[in-house]
Formats: sequence, C-alpha cells, structure tokens
Amino acid sequence: DTAVSQTPKYLVTQMGNDKSIKCEQNLGHDTMYWYKQDSKKFLKIMFSYNNKELIINETVPNRFSPKSPDKAHLNLHINSLELGDSAVYFCASSQGWDGMNTEAFFGQGTRLTVV
Amino acid sequence: EDQVTQSPEALRLQEGESSSLNCSYTVSGLRGLFWYRQDPGKGPEFLFTLYSAGEEKEKERLKATLTKKESFLHITAPKPEDSATYLCAVQAGTYKYIFGTGTRLKVLA
Repeated sequence: DTAVSQTPKYLVTQMGNDKSIKCEQNLGHDTMYWYKQDSKKFLKIMFSYNNKELIINETVPNRFSPKSPDKAHLNLHINSLELGDSAVYFCASSQGWDGMNTEAFFGQGTRLTVV
Repeated sequence: EDQVTQSPEALRLQEGESSSLNCSYTVSGLRGLFWYRQDPGKGPEFLFTLYSAGEEKEKERLKATLTKKESFLHITAPKPEDSATYLCAVQAGTYKYIFGTGTRLKVLA
C-alpha cells in the first residue's frame, strides 16, 4: 500500500497551459511538502503545509498555487506553464512533535516537461 | 544562511571497496540530519535520522555518523545494488528540510 502517492507520474504539456498534480498520503502525517528537483538532482523546497495551513512558501512564483483540502491531500496547480518549469516535482509528508519532525516520506515524483 | 554541502559529487568503487560520503552542514539549531537513497526515476527513500553529535546508526552495509559540523555515510564492502544517489538533508525550522546536492555512487562488479 503506497504511503505517498502522486499523480500523474509523467506530464508533457505546452507552454501557457495550466496543469495540476495531485498528492495523497495514508500515513496520518500532519505536514506535507512540495519539492522541485532540477536536472542536477538538487531538491529545493517549494511549500510546506501543516494541518491544511500554508507554513512555508519559498519565493515560488504565484503561478504555482498549492491547495490542501484535508491533512491527507496536497495538490499543486500551475498556471501559464513556462519552459523553466520543467523538472521533477515531489510530494512528501512527515509528522511533527515538539517542534521537531520525523523523516519525510516522498512520493515517486511527477516529471513535468513543458514544450 | 542554512546550507548543506555533500562530497564527493560522484564516486566509483569496485565491489568490496569501502569508502565514505561526506555531508557538511551549517544550520542554526540542528533538529535532525537525514540520509536518503534515491534510485533513478524514484523518490528519495529514507535511510537514517541522526539528532545529536556522537550518534551513529547502522543498516546492513551502511553506517551514518554525526559530528557538530558534518555527517559521514560509511559504506562497507559495497555491492553493485548499492549504486544510487545518496542525499543528505537537515531539518531547518519545524517545517523545512534543506537538501544537499547528493553523491552519485556507482559500484562496479
């Protein structure tokens, strides 16, 4: 049973289009994240949500809009896609306690290609 | 500024040739250091968490250690199936993990 699942796995789209990536976790965690991995494999945080509330927005263009309908889901909507948005996007989740967090569990990634 | 640096960037080992990967970090108030393994086309897979200097964790051929400034991932007698990218991350603040750029390990049979 997959712990963190994201769909789709691959997404190829034209510049200017709008697309969404969905993420669900069945671990009961209270914190979820979106990370972007570039071609050099560097993972950079985009957003953190805790109990459905946005906690961190790492200067991501406002074309990117995350939405968390409940603690188990965190979706990412991207408007007006640009060539530079091409990357692998990872969803992750973790559990917090006393200002600490457990390790993050990652989904399998969504490879976005903008043409 | 919080920062994580990993070295070497890439490493090629013969099967059975032990070595170590380095993760140096600068973070105000370390709340945890994490090691992950990432295979091509997959998400990072959790290996270890270390919380305080002097702590060590082991799993099969892997052993992670932590000092106040860096962490090492020691690989003893590696096998080809250990080939992957190894990522180090620190918890910076309650809701943020900062990753290093990873070490690409290739173990030759």
